[in-house]
Amino acid sequence: DAGITQSPRYKITETGRQVTLMCHQTWSHSYMFWYRQDLGHGLRLIYYSAAADITDKGEVPDGYVVSRSKTENFPLTLESATRSQTSVYFCASSAGVGSGELFFGEGSRLTVL
Amino acid sequence: AQTVTQSQPEMSVQEAETVTLSCTYDTSESDYYLFWYKQPPSRQMILVIRQEAYKQQNATENRFSVNFQKAAKSFSLKISDSQLGDAAMYFCAYRSATFVFGPGTRLSVLP
Repeated sequence: DAGITQSPRYKITETGRQVTLMCHQTWSHSYMFWYRQDLGHGLRLIYYSAAADITDKGEVPDGYVVSRSKTENFPLTLESATRSQTSVYFCASSAGVGSGELFFGEGSRLTVL
Repeated sequence: AQTVTQSQPEMSVQEAETVTLSCTYDTSESDYYLFWYKQPPSRQMILVIRQEAYKQQNATENRFSVNFQKAAKSFSLKISDSQLGDAAMYFCAYRSATFVFGPGTRLSVLP
């Protein structure tokens, strides 16, 4: 099915473990984003990518790593998870800069114990 | 850096009434886009309405309309004839290269 999908939808892990959240979109959108949603903060940008092999930091990049070897995939890795990274993570894509809206995945709820 | 402020963490409205959600933003750019997104309890983010900054005419989508005041950097959302299904978190967003979101307003609709 066309769209943007995230996996896993729910994940519980322990402090210090590596976690990767996957994101796949079928529209061939050039832009992809990772946001985290925390109460009182809205959505904060972690990383974004304007095209394959081009990534850039957002507002809260520390502790996260991204890659984009293919246009359709944009995985987010927490190299050593911390409790402060407990959050809901949204992947999103957009066709380009301008009036194009942001299309969201369903979100991944990550709990770090 | 651009910032988006939503000064009303929570609001409520009676069913069939009208409610206005406030949003202000800060930018030095002249060309940009503004959006309102809705997030119901399902967590899915849904586009409600968008506005191009170069357009003076306020955008409208059925029961949803905006009051865009570019000089004041204000972008409020008006929901007319509120329905129970309108209950959700509403996020105002600004776009230039990336999207910047406000902290959200939780809207309750009372029967």
